[in-house]
Parts: sequence; structure tokens; C-alpha cells
Amino acid sequence: GPKVLQIPSHQIIDMGQMVTLNCDPVSNHLYFYWYKQILGQQMEFLVNFYNGKVMEKSKLFKDQFSVERPDGSYFTLKIQPTALEDSAVYFCASSLAGTDTQYFGPGTRLLVL
Amino acid sequence: GQQVKQSSPSLTVQEGGISILNCDYENDMFDYFAWYKKYPDNSPTLLISVRSNVDKREDGRLTVFLNKSGKHFSLHITASQPEDTAVYLCAAGDGGNNKLTFGQGTVLSVIP
Repeated sequence: GPKVLQIPSHQIIDMGQMVTLNCDPVSNHLYFYWYKQILGQQMEFLVNFYNGKVMEKSKLFKDQFSVERPDGSYFTLKIQPTALEDSAVYFCASSLAGTDTQYFGPGTRLLVL
Repeated sequence: GQQVKQSSPSLTVQEGGISILNCDYENDMFDYFAWYKKYPDNSPTLLISVRSNVDKREDGRLTVFLNKSGKHFSLHITASQPEDTAVYLCAAGDGGNNKLTFGQGTVLSVIP
């Protein structure tokens, strides 16, 4: 089936530094999502993105977070500066339309020290 | 609070048996219900989904049942096989699937 790729698979970073998580969505998809999963908890919605704009974000999407997809390249999640509580697995997803199936990537495991 | 709950963290089933995975939800506005399968270090993959206008959908060995009045939906896997061993995540969405709310997952183990 359609594949979503995420780069890197793992990232270790010192608290206070910036990190960018990259997502390569399914090629013709128009809607993009980030979810966060803290160890032992469920996946939680962070943000969705369409036509160059954030459509909706949750309370987990702090001011230090930003998303973009410049010129149809990677869909990115940037955290600047990082905090210890940002340690989690971040899953990217994409869908053709807002009501279509969301296809997920394998996640990026972020550890903030 | 948790809007979508999977009360069983794990389930063990004998090969050939039926696996029943359960999910409860709180939000009346949910109109999309899905089951995802996940292997460790891999992507959650959609297995089957329903909209709120149906109460049952079958696809091969998989059947999803939706009980709107009880705010409950379940996944039945018949003729369970060892390769069905994985984490199963239920998810619900409202007003389209733009924002999915997930349960914590149930680890299904199918033993030969």
C-alpha cells in the first residue's frame, strides 16, 4: 500500500536545541498530520495541515512547535527549543482528502536529554 | 480524560479461534471508527473502518461492529493466525477524519 517515510528514525538531542523531524508523505496526498506518542500512552493528535496552512492544532502543539511543507518537499515538524517532555515517538500521516484514510509513517523516536 | 479507551491491554487467543478487540468512546460527535494494526517499530496500518451510518462491516476475516447507543465498537478476527499477533489500535474521528483520537492499544497474541 501507500508508504509514508520518516527521517530520521531516531534522534537524540540536548534540551534547548532545535530539532526538525521530516516526513515524506504519499505523493498525491494533500492533507498532512503529526501525532505524538509518549511511552506507555496512546497516540495523540498534534496538528493537521492543508494547502500550506495549519487547519487545527491540539493543546499539545506548543508555541515552540511549527510545521511547514516548503514547495512540496518534506512535511516537517520543528521544535525550537526542545524540552525534556518532548521526548516521544512522533508519527506523521497523510491523506488524499480530509475524510480519507490516514496513512502513517513508522515514527521518529525523539529523546531529549 | 481519555475519549477513546481500550480496556484490555492484552489478549491471548489460540490459533484458529476468534479474537475480539473492544473499544469504548465518549464523544457523541464521533462518526468515523477505525482499527489499525501495528508491529513494533513499524507504521500503524488501517485494517478496517466504518462510518456511523452502518453498524457492521465485514472484510474477509475481519468484522467491525458499531454500537452507537453504547458508544462501543469492536473488531472480530475469525480463524486467528500467529501472524495476527500485533498491537491493535482503535481510533475515532468526527466531522471527517482530520483528527483521529486513538485508544492505548491491545496487544494480541495468537498462539499455535
